[in-house]
Amino acid sequence: GAVVSQHPSWVICKSGTSVKIECRSLDFQATTMFWYRQFPKQSLMLMATSNEGSKATYEQGVEKDKFLINHASLTLSTLTVTSAHPEDSSFYICSARARVAVEVKPTDTQYFGPGTRLTVL
Amino acid sequence: QQPVQSPQAVILREGEDAVINCSSSKALYSVHWYRQKHGEAPVFLMILLKGGEQKGHEKISASFNEKKQQSSLYLTASQLSYSGTYFCGTDGGGGADGLTFGKGTHLIIQP
Repeated sequence: GAVVSQHPSWVICKSGTSVKIECRSLDFQATTMFWYRQFPKQSLMLMATSNEGSKATYEQGVEKDKFLINHASLTLSTLTVTSAHPEDSSFYICSARARVAVEVKPTDTQYFGPGTRLTVL
Repeated sequence: QQPVQSPQAVILREGEDAVINCSSSKALYSVHWYRQKHGEAPVFLMILLKGGEQKGHEKISASFNEKKQQSSLYLTASQLSYSGTYFCGTDGGGGADGLTFGKGTHLIIQP
């Protein structure tokens, strides 16, 4: 299957600092990547859709000025959490859209990166 | 709208079978199933397209009834490695837009 990597795996930062998380598709090109957030014992919540070469689309309630997304190439999307606060502590997971053949029908699914655990002190 | 998964949790003995259900209140184009181990990212299991298909992956199979807007995941002769949280992700847009995930079903397999 397709491989997606994230860096860093975990990060601890002080309140008020900014943190950048990278998401890379290693063996395929992804024009679309997605950023999710998962709090402990909860489901994944879509934050934004990242499209290569264009502005990201944010879900309702997600501050675009706080969570900056850049998708500068077909294999890299970055999420920057600006002025992080303790309530931003979470597990951030990216996924990349990939085309697969399902019963000979081409369709799209998502492959997830390993996640980045952010702790803001 | 978030799909509803049932049951919320299930505990099985190794070798027993389990069924996890996923229901949506809106029309679906596809259903995606994932398994997540504690502290790890979700791992893709399978995708089902509208058309009422059923497919399998080793001892894990799934069905999709688009009329009922439901999908079920079947785990037969469960193994210890099947433990984890299972999520269904639904897509109503026809092109794998950001998926909407259910709250998950926690599966614990005991020896």
